[in-house]
Amino acid sequence: AQKITQTQPGMFVQEKEAVTLDCTYDTSDPSYGLFWYKQPSSGEMIFLIYQGSYDQQNATEGRYSLNFQKARKSANLVISASQLGDSAMYFCAMREHSGSARQLTFGSGTQLTVLP
Amino acid sequence: GAGVSQTPSNKVTEKGKYVELRCDPISGHTALYWYRQSLGQGPEFLIYFQGTGAADDSGLPNDRFFAVRPEGSVSTLKIQRTERGDSAVYLCASSPGQGSGYTFGSGTRLTVV
Repeated sequence: AQKITQTQPGMFVQEKEAVTLDCTYDTSDPSYGLFWYKQPSSGEMIFLIYQGSYDQQNATEGRYSLNFQKARKSANLVISASQLGDSAMYFCAMREHSGSARQLTFGSGTQLTVLP
Repeated sequence: GAGVSQTPSNKVTEKGKYVELRCDPISGHTALYWYRQSLGQGPEFLIYFQGTGAADDSGLPNDRFFAVRPEGSVSTLKIQRTERGDSAVYLCASSPGQGSGYTFGSGTRLTVV
């Protein structure tokens, strides 16, 4: 079974509008972390936001917020006031805390295009 | 340097050849991860180092893949007898401790022809 599912291969948003990128996850580990990364065409993975499984509040970082619904196992990224520079690939990832490596498991990504 | 450095940025090799990909992590980061990203996919875990030892190599696809980190800093991913299916971007990430604050490099794009 997929551990991280991103069902939107591509999304379009008008500049200055908000957009939600979907992510659902699957784990039996009670302790885990959820991440969102941005990957522009240049290839580097840029960390955006983190949500811990025990965090009571939804994470926010500037224009980014994470809509964490633990019972539904969803961790959607909301980008407010989209900018042209937000056009990139976005990946949701999970780190389960029971493993020794604590590596990230990534979804297949969503290509976001911001239209002028 | 300030970030994770990966060299070369691009590598084209012939099927059957041997390649080495280098990762220079952020100074002081004890944890180092290698990932492979195929076209249109998310990165997939290959191997994790804590210090000099490979603490988890469960993601290596077969015994043609090997990685070392002899002095606990620079790491080299080695691929023997390359196949066309090995073509991908190989990403390296480091963190100050196990599973905290990952910083990724820009990757090495490997093309096997």
